[in-house]
Amino acid sequence: DAGVIQSPRHEVTEMGQEVTLRCKPISGHDYLFWYRQTMMRGLELLIYFNNNVPIDDSGMPEDRFSAKMPNASFSTLKIQPSEPRDSAVYFCASSFFQGHTGELFFGEGSRLTVL
Amino acid sequence: AQSVSQHNHHVILSEAASLELGCNYSYGGTVNLFWYVQYPGQHLQLLLKYFSGDPLVKGIKGFEAEFIKSKFSFNLRKPSVQWSDTAEYFCAVNGIGTDKLIFGTGTRLQVFP
Repeated sequence: DAGVIQSPRHEVTEMGQEVTLRCKPISGHDYLFWYRQTMMRGLELLIYFNNNVPIDDSGMPEDRFSAKMPNASFSTLKIQPSEPRDSAVYFCASSFFQGHTGELFFGEGSRLTVL
Repeated sequence: AQSVSQHNHHVILSEAASLELGCNYSYGGTVNLFWYVQYPGQHLQLLLKYFSGDPLVKGIKGFEAEFIKSKFSFNLRKPSVQWSDTAEYFCAVNGIGTDKLIFGTGTRLQVFP
């Protein structure tokens, strides 16, 4: 299996621009998670989906952030408009919960820099 | 709500030294516990996990962790670290009955030859 695939790996943009991050989960996994990693706050859970349905978006920092999962093989995280404080590494992870095992498989992350 | 605390933010060791990284969690029920590792420039990967049974869990690369329920702790240990263990280590908790995996803020380990 190819694992969780994220794109782009690196994104540099200017404040105010729209940013779209993409994720392809592992085939057959029914959970998808978006995390944000910063030096100050570590790994924060932003939102997660189960069977393409958003379950908990309480970690999304502001209305500028939105996430969608139109089908089982694709998800996007959008920031509009972007701000310098959004600079971070954004990880997507997928899982197939069996008895709530909780093991996640992570992508390689998208490093976002907002100037 | 679940939460995880990792008290060591940055640990510096020489090769062959012993390692113990602290992890405490908060949750009002049964938990699954994990340690993930992130090597420089790479994504997170599972190091070891505890679901039930023997509270001493052995993982890859000689790592182990002990679940002490009375202390709400799941400390990571390795008797002798190597330069290749340089990485960031994350403790995580999944409260049974929830779908979330909540991570601690991570501990950066630097091992010098």
